[in-house]
Amino acid sequence: QVQLVESGGGVVQPGGSLRLSCAASGFSFSGYGMHWLRQVAGKGLEWVAFIRYDGTNKDYADSVKGRYTISRDNSKNTLYLQMNSLRTEDTAVYYCAKEHLGGTAGYWGQGTLVTVSS
Amino acid sequence: DIQMTQSPSTLSASVGDRVTITCRASQSISRWLAWYQQKPGKAPKLLIYKASSLESGVPSRFSGSGSGTEFTLTISSLQPDDFATYYCQQYNSYSRAFGQGTKVEI
Repeated sequence: QVQLVESGGGVVQPGGSLRLSCAASGFSFSGYGMHWLRQVAGKGLEWVAFIRYDGTNKDYADSVKGRYTISRDNSKNTLYLQMNSLRTEDTAVYYCAKEHLGGTAGYWGQGTLVTVSS
Repeated sequence: DIQMTQSPSTLSASVGDRVTITCRASQSISRWLAWYQQKPGKAPKLLIYKASSLESGVPSRFSGSGSGTEFTLTISSLQPDDFATYYCQQYNSYSRAFGQGTKVEI
C-alpha cells in the first residue's frame, strides 16, 4: 500500500533554513508528480509546491517562491523541500502528497511540524 | 490568482441528514475541482476529483457536482464518521487554491 513518511521538521529561527524529506513506498515513485502542502494549526490548507514525475517542471505558491525549492531523487524514492529565509508565518504542518489523476493531491503523508520562532 | 470560497463555514447537522456544501471559484475552472475530508490530527483524505468522480473506496453517499465556477459536495445521509472538516481545491491553475473549509458538526 502507498506510504509517504515526512521527516526533517523542527524548530528553526527566523531567517534560517530547513530541509524536509518524504520517503515514498508502495507505488512507482518515478511515475508520479508530487506535492508539498501545509497547514497552520487550526487553520486551512495551503498548497506549497509541485514537481513533475521526472523533475523537469516545478510550480510554487507565490508565498514561498524564491525561498523554497522542491526536488526529488527517483533512485531513492524520496521527495525534498529545501526551505530558506524562513519566516514565522511559515510555521505549519507540512505534508507531502502523491499526484492524483489530473494533477490534484491524492494520497497524503501524516505530516511534519515546522516551527519558526526565535 | 483564482480564489475559492466555501459556504457555509460551519454546518450543524444530525445523523441521517442530507448535507450540501458549496464551493465557488472566482473564475472558471472547468471541472478541475477536488473535495477533501479532514478529521482532527489527521491528514486530509481525497473524496472527489474532477468535480464529480468518486475516489476509490469512498462511500457512495458522497457525491460532487458542478462545473465552471459553482460546485457542490453532497452527503446523502450523514453518518457518525462524516463529522469532519471538508475542503474544496481547484487545480485548473498553478496556484491550486483551497477553500477555507466547512466544519460539519453535530
